[in-house]
Parts: sequence; structure tokens; C-alpha cells
Amino acid sequence: QQQVKQSPQSLIVQKGGISIINCAYENTAFDYFPWYQQFPGKGPALLIAIRPDVSEKKEGRFTISFNKSAKQFSLHIMDSQPGDSATYFCAASSKANSGYALNFGKGTSLLVTP
Amino acid sequence: EPEVTQTPSHQVTQMGQEVILRCVPISNHLYFYWYRQILGQKVEFLVSFYNNEISEKSEIFDDQFSVERPDGSNFTLKIRSTKLEDSAMYFCASSVVNEQFFGPGTRLTVL
Repeated sequence: QQQVKQSPQSLIVQKGGISIINCAYENTAFDYFPWYQQFPGKGPALLIAIRPDVSEKKEGRFTISFNKSAKQFSLHIMDSQPGDSATYFCAASSKANSGYALNFGKGTSLLVTP
Repeated sequence: EPEVTQTPSHQVTQMGQEVILRCVPISNHLYFYWYRQILGQKVEFLVSFYNNEISEKSEIFDDQFSVERPDGSNFTLKIRSTKLEDSAMYFCASSVVNEQFFGPGTRLTVL
């Protein structure tokens, strides 16, 4: 059972455009939702995270929108740049599990064209 | 800026051999994790470790796997008898609570 579903699998955006990646989850016990950025050959790097008590969080060009009733959250990258080209993973975890294990989506490969 | 480090960066082993992957978590972190990522696939949770014991593990983390914190800085993952399907990137991560920071990974190739 896939606990976090991510779409699209791949995305091509022109420089300056908005990149939007969506995730949906099933487990209502999830209470922490991070996004990670991964470049080839590197480990995932924490980009931004949100908790379900807020509907939106913005850090620079990156914004998470969160819809608790729909059990969905999304990452928006404003003014996308070629340097943003990477794979993006959404994830979720629950403090109900003592270990804070992250459940990852399958990833979105983003290509920002010049 | 403190970071998680992992050694080696690449490990090649023969099927059936034991391997130990090493990690140095960020020094004031309390939780330690191992994840794996098979080429082109998503990151999968293996195990979390807190207060010198396993706090959570996935179904992937069977009896072939073990973890240890042998001293105040290192955190290791041991695979007792490697299989071909163990070939993957293995990432160590650490956190104070939720916010997990990942190391650069060890690429394990089982021949």
C-alpha cells in the first residue's frame, strides 16, 4: 500500500515559470510533511516542511500548500530556474510512530529549460 | 554547517559477504535512520534508532540487517549476508525530532 502518492512523475517547465508538484496521503495520523530535493548522485536535501495546523508555508521561491480535508499537499516553485532541475520527493511522517519514519512519494523529475 | 557524513561512498561486495556501512550523524541529533534507494526508485525507510535501541523498523529490515552505535559518534548498518537485491544507495539521516538531514549515501553493489 502506497501511503504517499506523488504526481506528476516528470515535469518540464520553462525558466521563469511555476513548477507545481502534488502529493496525496492516506494516513490521517501523518503530522509532518517535508519536501526533499535530490540531485543525481547526492542525498536528499530538506527543502521545506509543513505541519497540518497551517494551510501554507513560504520560503523564498518555494511554497507548500496544504489541504487537510482533501489529504493533499503541493509544492510550488515560483520563477523556476535551470538550477532547480532535480528530483523532488514529498514525504510524510507521524509522531504516533516512535521513530518518525519518513514515507516518501515516488518522486518527480523536474527539468527547467532555459 | 554541520552535516551527516557516510563512508565508504561506494562499496562493492560479493553475494553472501557481510558489509558494514558507516555514518557519522550530526552531533547534537538524537534520532538516527537508515534508508535505501534502489536506482531510479523512491527512498525507502529501513530503521530508526533512538536512545541506543531500534525505535521503528520496516518490513525490509529483516534478520540480515542490524544497526549499532558503537561509540558516541558513529552509527553503522550491517548486512550479514548480502543478496543481489541489496544493491542500492544507502542513506543515513539524523534528526533532533522530525527534521531529518541526509548524508551523501553509500552506493552498495552486490555482484
